[in-house]
Amino acid sequence: QVQLVQSGAEVKKPGASVKVSCKASGYTLTGEAMQWVRQAPGQGLEWMGRINTKSGDTHYAQSFQGRVTMTRDTSINTAYMELSGLMSDDTAVYYCARDDRGSAGGYWGQGTLVTVSS
Amino acid sequence: DVVMTQSPLSLPVTLGQPASISCTSSQSLVHSDGNTYLNWFHQRPGQSPRRLIYNVSNRDSGVPDRFSGSGSGTDFTLKISRVGAEDVGVYYCMQGTHWPPITFGQGTRLEIK
Repeated sequence: QVQLVQSGAEVKKPGASVKVSCKASGYTLTGEAMQWVRQAPGQGLEWMGRINTKSGDTHYAQSFQGRVTMTRDTSINTAYMELSGLMSDDTAVYYCARDDRGSAGGYWGQGTLVTVSS
Repeated sequence: DVVMTQSPLSLPVTLGQPASISCTSSQSLVHSDGNTYLNWFHQRPGQSPRRLIYNVSNRDSGVPDRFSGSGSGTDFTLKISRVGAEDVGVYYCMQGTHWPPITFGQGTRLEIK
């Protein structure tokens, strides 16, 4: 069965970077695109960007341009999201979410809590 | 960017009664390929979102048939025919037609009266 297992919680200082991994199992990573979505405490869902896992092409939300990088390593069926220049309002749960049946959000990882605090 | 507006934002429902959530987009969600990429998600407290409905009206695997999606153009509805205790949480609509960016509604919190 399809599973997306994300890396563990992180605590970072302002200005630092964080890299979250999303290991896919039960299918080949390159079979479907991967979206990254975040959710600040008590808030709604915010789309960060998408990676075409076959070609590596990426599209990012304007609000993260220049700070976010999405990559993948097909040899280990894993996608990554790196966010730099962290600020306190980047404190959130970060999710990877795989497309399914040609539409976004079919399968989700368990989420990774990133806390930014001095 | 396409703005997604949900109503109501809070929905108290009696067990066994129906519930309905509306989602309106700021522009038509009909894609040039003929599909309408409007999805519905349910998020229980402390859990990841789960997709219930994709492309307006298609139920995902394992989703009970008491959930149904409908609509076209800019106006969409998620209906629950009989609300159960397991249905509490927040419901989000999402458009994937005009991206980037993909955009979500603000969320509708369903609670049991």
